[in-house]
Amino acid sequence: DTGVSQDPRHKITKRGQNVTFRCDPISEHNRLYWYRQTLGQGPEFLTYFQNEAQLEKSRLLSDRFSAERPKGSFSTLEIQRTEQGDSAMYLCASVIAAATEAFFGQGTRLTVV
Amino acid sequence: GENVEQHPSTLSVQEGDSAVIKCTYSDSASNYFPWYKQELGKRPQLIIDIRSNVGEKKDQRIAVTLNKTAKHFSLHITETQPEDSAVYFCAATPDGNTPLVFGKGTRLSVIA
Repeated sequence: DTGVSQDPRHKITKRGQNVTFRCDPISEHNRLYWYRQTLGQGPEFLTYFQNEAQLEKSRLLSDRFSAERPKGSFSTLEIQRTEQGDSAMYLCASVIAAATEAFFGQGTRLTVV
Repeated sequence: GENVEQHPSTLSVQEGDSAVIKCTYSDSASNYFPWYKQELGKRPQLIIDIRSNVGEKKDQRIAVTLNKTAKHFSLHITETQPEDSAVYFCAATPDGNTPLVFGKGTRLSVIA
């Protein structure tokens, strides 16, 4: 599969635990986005990278969230001290160039219990 | 920042009828407007997009229209089929340096 892949697909964690998600974009895409999607809502922007540089973070992104893209390839999103409100689908998307098609991964569904 | 409103939130049509979903945006600088389809349990996938230098774009049974003056754009699906049943999202961005802002989605049900 040459598309965007995310791991894990599902994660159940206890409140207060830390979790980390991984996204592998399409190899030639230099832009990578993280979105969060809750039931009945559209994807909400969290943060994005151009190559290894994190260019923008949403106000939605509390200091418990951190993202990296160390070599400009895969990216990780970490949530520390998870809260029940963090339960959502976390989507990664990659783009080859500005204002072009965003290719989404299957997402990681996080459930905080 | 950009704000995108999408209507209706749910839409049911008979197979073979047309479906129309409308979106409005707030940032007059927005110039790229994609539409994504998300089937249950699957990833969002682009079905059509339009740029501000074009008023209408068609791809088989799907068309998108853009009215920059009124700041709204619409998705039109003709001859609907059961496999068109999904959630559809509109989005907008002023430029490639600004992430896409999505509407809340429209759940389309095509009844056979």
